[in-house]
Amino acid sequence: GAGVSQSPSNKVTEKGKDVELRCDPISGHTALYWYRQRLGQGLEFLIYFQGNSAPDKSGLPSDRFSAERTGESVSTLTIQRTQQEDSAVYLCASAPGGVGSYEQYFGPGTRLTVT
Amino acid sequence: AQSVTQPDIHITVSEGASLELRCNYSYGATPYLFWYVQSPGQGLQLLLKYFSGDTLVQGIKGFEAEFKRSQSSFNLRKPSVHWSDAAEYFCAVTGGDKIIFGKGTRLHILP
Repeated sequence: GAGVSQSPSNKVTEKGKDVELRCDPISGHTALYWYRQRLGQGLEFLIYFQGNSAPDKSGLPSDRFSAERTGESVSTLTIQRTQQEDSAVYLCASAPGGVGSYEQYFGPGTRLTVT
Repeated sequence: AQSVTQPDIHITVSEGASLELRCNYSYGATPYLFWYVQSPGQGLQLLLKYFSGDTLVQGIKGFEAEFKRSQSSFNLRKPSVHWSDAAEYFCAVTGGDKIIFGKGTRLHILP
């Protein structure tokens, strides 16, 4: 079956512009996660959705970052007024959700380059 | 605080040699533990997971890991590595909805 997909795969933007990154989770997965991975670094948790609510936004690095999710499907991560330090790979993962469902399935990521 | 430590940033082994990647965690309750692999330019793929039961778990691609509660460790092992195993490996822990990842260990394979 289809896995998690993300678009675009690559995005180059100028400093100060806004960008939107999209994640399509596996059908039926209620949980959705966004992570940031800077070059040579581990995964940095950004935000988690259960359905279309976000019980944990603790990882969003600043108020320039926001995310939304439509029902139990597509999510978009928006970065406003991008800065060079926002350059990273943004990974999305989905999971079936619910207690005891902890295995996450990852998309290929969006590589964001801010020039 | 929950945390995962992978002490080795880089490891180099010869093809055919055995491998052990270390992972130590800090978690207040019974942890659920994972190992993921990330090949260059790819997303993360789950290698194996431990939820309960037998502390030695088998995964894909010939990998296994052993949960040792007394040492707060979940080390990944493979008896004989292949050149295609060159990748970055991430250990992770959760007890609820958020997964905490280690910083990763990059595995290099010598021919």
